[in-house]
Amino acid sequence: EPEVTQTPSHQVTQMGQEVILRCVPISNHLYFYWYRQILGQKVEFLVSFYNNEISEKSEIFDDQFSVERPDGSNFTLKIRSTKLEDSAMYFCASRVAGGLQETQYFGPGTRLLVL
Amino acid sequence: GENVEQHPSTLSVQEGDSAVIKCTYSDSASNYFPWYKQELGKGPQLIIDIRSNVGEKKDQRIAVTLNKTAKHFSLHITETQPEDSAVYFCAAKKPYGQNFVFGPGTRLSVLP
Repeated sequence: EPEVTQTPSHQVTQMGQEVILRCVPISNHLYFYWYRQILGQKVEFLVSFYNNEISEKSEIFDDQFSVERPDGSNFTLKIRSTKLEDSAMYFCASRVAGGLQETQYFGPGTRLLVL
Repeated sequence: GENVEQHPSTLSVQEGDSAVIKCTYSDSASNYFPWYKQELGKGPQLIIDIRSNVGEKKDQRIAVTLNKTAKHFSLHITETQPEDSAVYFCAAKKPYGQNFVFGPGTRLSVLP
Protein backbone atom coordinates (compact mmCIF):
# COMPACT_ATOMS: atom_id res chain seq x y z
CA GLU A 1 0.00 0.00 0.00
CA PRO A 2 1.44 3.41 -0.94
CA GLU A 3 2.57 5.56 1.96
CA VAL A 4 3.75 9.08 2.63
CA THR A 5 7.36 8.97 3.80
CA GLN A 6 9.31 11.60 5.72
CA THR A 7 12.97 12.15 6.48
CA PRO A 8 14.63 12.51 8.85
CA SER A 9 12.59 10.88 11.60
CA HIS A 10 14.36 13.02 14.20
CA GLN A 11 16.33 16.24 13.91
CA VAL A 12 18.13 18.23 16.56
CA THR A 13 19.31 21.72 15.69
CA GLN A 14 20.60 24.85 17.34
CA MET A 15 18.41 27.93 17.59
CA GLY A 16 18.90 30.17 14.58
CA GLN A 17 19.90 27.35 12.25
CA GLU A 18 18.04 26.46 9.08
CA VAL A 19 16.36 23.07 8.78
CA ILE A 20 14.78 21.31 5.83
CA LEU A 21 12.24 18.60 6.42
CA ARG A 22 11.59 16.25 3.54
CA CYS A 23 8.52 14.37 2.43
CA VAL A 24 7.72 12.02 -0.41
CA PRO A 25 3.95 12.13 -0.98
CA ILE A 26 2.00 9.26 -2.50
CA SER A 27 2.85 9.23 -6.18
CA ASN A 28 -0.51 10.07 -7.80
CA HIS A 29 -1.42 12.69 -5.21
CA LEU A 30 -1.55 16.35 -6.19
CA TYR A 31 -2.33 18.17 -2.94
CA PHE A 32 0.36 18.38 -0.28
CA TYR A 33 0.23 19.60 3.28
CA TRP A 34 2.37 20.31 6.30
CA TYR A 35 1.01 20.13 9.83
CA ARG A 36 2.76 20.38 13.16
CA GLN A 37 2.03 18.97 16.58
CA ILE A 38 3.67 20.50 19.62
CA LEU A 39 4.11 17.89 22.34
CA GLY A 40 0.81 17.17 24.05
CA GLN A 41 -1.14 19.56 21.86
CA LYS A 42 -3.41 19.24 18.85
CA VAL A 43 -2.31 18.83 15.26
CA GLU A 44 -2.19 22.27 13.60
CA PHE A 45 -2.36 23.10 9.90
CA LEU A 46 0.59 24.99 8.44
CA VAL A 47 0.25 25.07 4.67
CA SER A 48 -1.26 23.41 1.63
CA PHE A 49 0.35 23.24 -1.79
CA TYR A 50 -1.15 22.51 -5.19
CA ASN A 51 -0.01 23.04 -8.75
CA ASN A 52 3.38 24.32 -7.58
CA GLU A 53 2.06 27.05 -5.37
CA ILE A 54 0.73 27.60 -1.88
CA SER A 55 -3.06 27.32 -1.90
CA GLU A 56 -3.66 28.07 1.76
CA LYS A 57 -1.58 28.83 4.84
CA SER A 58 -2.19 29.45 8.50
CA GLU A 59 -0.97 32.33 10.62
CA ILE A 60 1.69 30.01 12.01
CA PHE A 61 3.27 29.83 8.55
CA ASP A 62 5.16 33.12 8.66
CA ASP A 63 8.15 34.36 6.66
CA GLN A 64 10.44 31.93 8.44
CA PHE A 65 8.72 29.04 6.68
CA SER A 66 8.78 28.07 3.04
CA VAL A 67 7.76 25.03 1.02
CA GLU A 68 9.03 23.67 -2.22
CA ARG A 69 8.53 20.80 -4.59
CA PRO A 70 12.05 20.65 -6.02
CA ASP A 71 11.38 17.66 -8.26
CA GLY A 72 8.57 15.30 -9.16
CA SER A 73 8.63 13.38 -5.91
CA ASN A 74 9.84 15.46 -2.96
CA PHE A 75 7.99 18.10 -0.98
CA THR A 76 10.03 20.09 1.53
CA LEU A 77 9.43 22.41 4.46
CA LYS A 78 12.20 24.85 5.27
CA ILE A 79 12.49 26.80 8.49
CA ARG A 80 15.04 29.57 7.92
CA SER A 81 16.02 30.51 11.45
CA THR A 82 14.68 28.06 13.98
CA LYS A 83 13.30 29.16 17.33
CA LEU A 84 12.83 27.16 20.49
CA GLU A 85 9.08 27.18 19.94
CA ASP A 86 9.51 25.45 16.57
CA SER A 87 10.22 22.24 18.47
CA ALA A 88 7.40 19.92 17.44
CA MET A 89 6.46 16.91 15.37
CA TYR A 90 5.99 17.91 11.74
CA PHE A 91 3.66 15.84 9.58
CA CYS A 92 3.43 15.85 5.83
CA ALA A 93 0.17 14.76 4.20
CA SER A 94 -1.09 14.33 0.67
CA ARG A 95 -4.29 13.60 -1.19
CA VAL A 96 -5.54 13.01 -4.68
CA ALA A 97 -7.19 15.74 -6.70
CA GLY A 98 -10.95 15.70 -7.13
CA GLY A 99 -13.69 17.55 -5.31
CA LEU A 100 -15.00 14.62 -3.28
CA GLN A 101 -11.61 13.09 -2.49
CA GLU A 102 -11.04 14.69 0.90
CA THR A 103 -8.94 12.04 2.60
CA GLN A 104 -5.49 13.23 3.57
CA TYR A 105 -2.84 10.57 4.13
CA PHE A 106 -0.26 11.42 6.76
CA GLY A 107 3.39 10.49 6.97
CA PRO A 108 5.05 9.24 10.17
CA GLY A 109 6.40 12.68 11.04
CA THR A 110 9.72 14.34 11.78
CA ARG A 111 10.42 15.20 15.38
CA LEU A 112 12.28 18.52 15.46
CA LEU A 113 14.07 19.63 18.60
CA VAL A 114 15.50 23.14 18.70
CA LEU A 115 18.06 23.75 21.42
CA GLY B 1 -12.43 30.46 12.33
CA GLU B 2 -13.36 26.89 13.03
CA ASN B 3 -12.82 25.49 16.52
CA VAL B 4 -13.09 21.79 17.32
CA GLU B 5 -13.48 20.52 20.85
CA GLN B 6 -13.13 16.88 21.85
CA HIS B 7 -14.12 14.90 24.94
CA PRO B 8 -12.99 13.08 26.92
CA SER B 9 -9.26 13.76 26.84
CA THR B 10 -8.57 10.28 28.23
CA LEU B 11 -10.75 7.18 28.22
CA SER B 12 -10.12 3.76 29.72
CA VAL B 13 -12.37 0.83 28.91
CA GLN B 14 -12.28 -2.89 29.51
CA GLU B 15 -11.62 -5.10 26.52
CA GLY B 16 -14.90 -5.93 24.84
CA ASP B 17 -16.67 -2.79 26.04
CA SER B 18 -17.68 0.10 23.82
CA ALA B 19 -15.93 3.47 23.63
CA VAL B 20 -17.49 6.75 22.58
CA ILE B 21 -15.59 9.95 21.80
CA LYS B 22 -17.44 13.18 21.10
CA CYS B 23 -16.47 16.28 19.14
CA THR B 24 -18.14 19.61 18.62
CA TYR B 25 -17.37 22.15 15.94
CA SER B 26 -18.17 25.82 15.71
CA ASP B 27 -18.51 26.60 12.00
CA SER B 28 -21.77 25.36 10.51
CA ALA B 29 -20.18 25.56 7.05
CA SER B 30 -17.91 22.59 7.82
CA ASN B 31 -19.00 19.60 5.79
CA TYR B 32 -16.35 16.89 6.15
CA PHE B 33 -15.41 15.18 9.41
CA PRO B 34 -12.64 12.58 9.52
CA TRP B 35 -11.41 10.58 12.49
CA TYR B 36 -7.75 9.71 12.78
CA LYS B 37 -5.98 7.17 14.98
CA GLN B 38 -2.44 7.92 16.05
CA GLU B 39 -0.32 5.16 17.52
CA LEU B 40 2.87 5.91 19.39
CA GLY B 41 5.59 7.16 17.07
CA LYS B 42 3.40 7.12 13.98
CA GLY B 43 1.47 9.64 11.94
CA PRO B 44 -2.32 9.94 12.12
CA GLN B 45 -4.15 7.24 10.16
CA LEU B 46 -7.68 7.76 8.86
CA ILE B 47 -10.12 5.28 10.35
CA ILE B 48 -13.48 6.64 9.25
CA ASP B 49 -14.99 9.85 7.90
CA ILE B 50 -18.41 11.33 7.34
CA ARG B 51 -19.86 14.10 5.19
CA SER B 52 -22.53 16.51 6.26
CA ASN B 53 -25.16 14.97 4.00
CA VAL B 54 -25.04 11.72 6.00
CA GLY B 55 -26.11 11.16 9.60
CA GLU B 56 -24.27 7.93 10.31
CA LYS B 57 -21.61 5.73 8.81
CA LYS B 58 -20.39 2.35 9.94
CA ASP B 59 -17.36 0.23 9.15
CA GLN B 60 -17.25 -3.05 11.07
CA ARG B 61 -16.62 -2.15 14.74
CA ILE B 62 -16.34 1.57 14.09
CA ALA B 63 -19.17 4.02 13.50
CA VAL B 64 -19.49 7.78 13.32
CA THR B 65 -22.65 9.81 13.89
CA LEU B 66 -23.21 13.42 12.93
CA ASN B 67 -25.74 15.89 14.28
CA LYS B 68 -25.51 18.97 12.06
CA THR B 69 -28.06 20.94 14.03
CA ALA B 70 -26.12 20.55 17.26
CA LYS B 71 -22.78 20.66 15.43
CA HIS B 72 -21.38 17.57 17.02
CA PHE B 73 -20.16 14.20 15.82
CA SER B 74 -19.12 11.09 17.67
CA LEU B 75 -16.91 8.07 17.17
CA HIS B 76 -18.21 4.75 18.45
CA ILE B 77 -15.96 1.71 18.79
CA THR B 78 -17.65 -1.53 19.78
CA GLU B 79 -16.03 -4.72 21.12
CA THR B 80 -12.83 -2.87 21.89
CA GLN B 81 -9.51 -4.69 21.65
CA PRO B 82 -6.10 -3.82 23.14
CA GLU B 83 -4.87 -2.80 19.68
CA ASP B 84 -7.50 -0.05 19.68
CA SER B 85 -5.38 1.72 22.30
CA ALA B 86 -4.13 4.95 20.72
CA VAL B 87 -4.82 8.67 20.52
CA TYR B 88 -7.88 9.51 18.44
CA PHE B 89 -8.32 12.87 16.73
CA CYS B 90 -11.44 14.27 15.17
CA ALA B 91 -11.24 17.02 12.56
CA ALA B 92 -13.49 19.30 10.56
CA LYS B 93 -13.09 20.83 7.14
CA LYS B 94 -15.03 23.46 5.27
CA PRO B 95 -15.88 23.18 1.59
CA TYR B 96 -13.30 24.82 -0.68
CA GLY B 97 -10.86 25.08 2.18
CA GLN B 98 -7.77 22.93 2.33
CA ASN B 99 -6.98 22.54 5.95
CA PHE B 100 -8.33 20.25 8.59
CA VAL B 101 -8.98 21.74 12.02
CA PHE B 102 -8.20 19.04 14.55
CA GLY B 103 -9.58 18.44 18.00
CA PRO B 104 -7.12 18.08 20.90
CA GLY B 105 -7.26 14.29 20.89
CA THR B 106 -8.50 11.48 23.15
CA ARG B 107 -6.12 8.93 24.59
CA LEU B 108 -7.98 5.60 24.60
CA SER B 109 -6.67 2.75 26.71
CA VAL B 110 -8.26 -0.66 26.33
CA LEU B 111 -7.48 -2.77 29.37
CA PRO B 112 -7.19 -6.54 28.90
